[in-house]
Amino acid sequence: GALVYQYPRRTICKSGTSMRMECQAVGFQATSVAWYRQSPQKTFELIALSTVNSAIKYEQNFTQEKFPISHPNLSFSSMTVLNAYLEDRGLYLCGAWTGSNTEVFFGKGTRLTVV
Amino acid sequence: QQQVRQSPQSLTVWEGETAILNCSYENSAFDYFPWYQQFPGEGPALLISILSVSDKKEDGRFTIFFNKREKKLSLHIADSQPGDSATYFCAATSGGNYKPTFGKGTSLVVHP
Repeated sequence: GALVYQYPRRTICKSGTSMRMECQAVGFQATSVAWYRQSPQKTFELIALSTVNSAIKYEQNFTQEKFPISHPNLSFSSMTVLNAYLEDRGLYLCGAWTGSNTEVFFGKGTRLTVV
Repeated sequence: QQQVRQSPQSLTVWEGETAILNCSYENSAFDYFPWYQQFPGEGPALLISILSVSDKKEDGRFTIFFNKREKKLSLHIADSQPGDSATYFCAATSGGNYKPTFGKGTSLVVHP
């Protein structure tokens, strides 16, 4: 079956430091990968969308300078949170899918705590 | 601007009752509406979905009713079970610009 693995599951970093999180699609070829941040209030914020053969598109309020993403192949994506601060706390979810109007497979997320 | 809105924010029902979760959207271009179920500590998982060409989709105890004219849809969970207690997200996207947009979710609690 199609699965998406994210690691680490949770991480704690000091304010002003950076941390990298990874996402791996297993059992299918992910033509698109989206990174979301889910706030403690459960709201989803789309950070960026990465589609094969296209440039990574960042949503308003999110930049490549702050959240650089690497998507080297159809099964792997990584995102770094640079200079993390309290407002960056949350559950970072990776969703991957093939084509359009199809199921988005989510990982279990990386929970970032900033102290 | 919240493109996908959900109500109520939280819902409590008794076991065996039908839970009704509502969703509305702004963008007329949206044509695919998946509902995701999320348990604490887990990522969201697809529960059921509907295309805008349909007005109803059933899968076991879960039914989506869709009203394209009013840009509204609802998820009905029949014979609710305590194991259905979770947060449910309505999402919307369009085939031409597939970028799932999520509502803020409805937290459902089913009491035994």
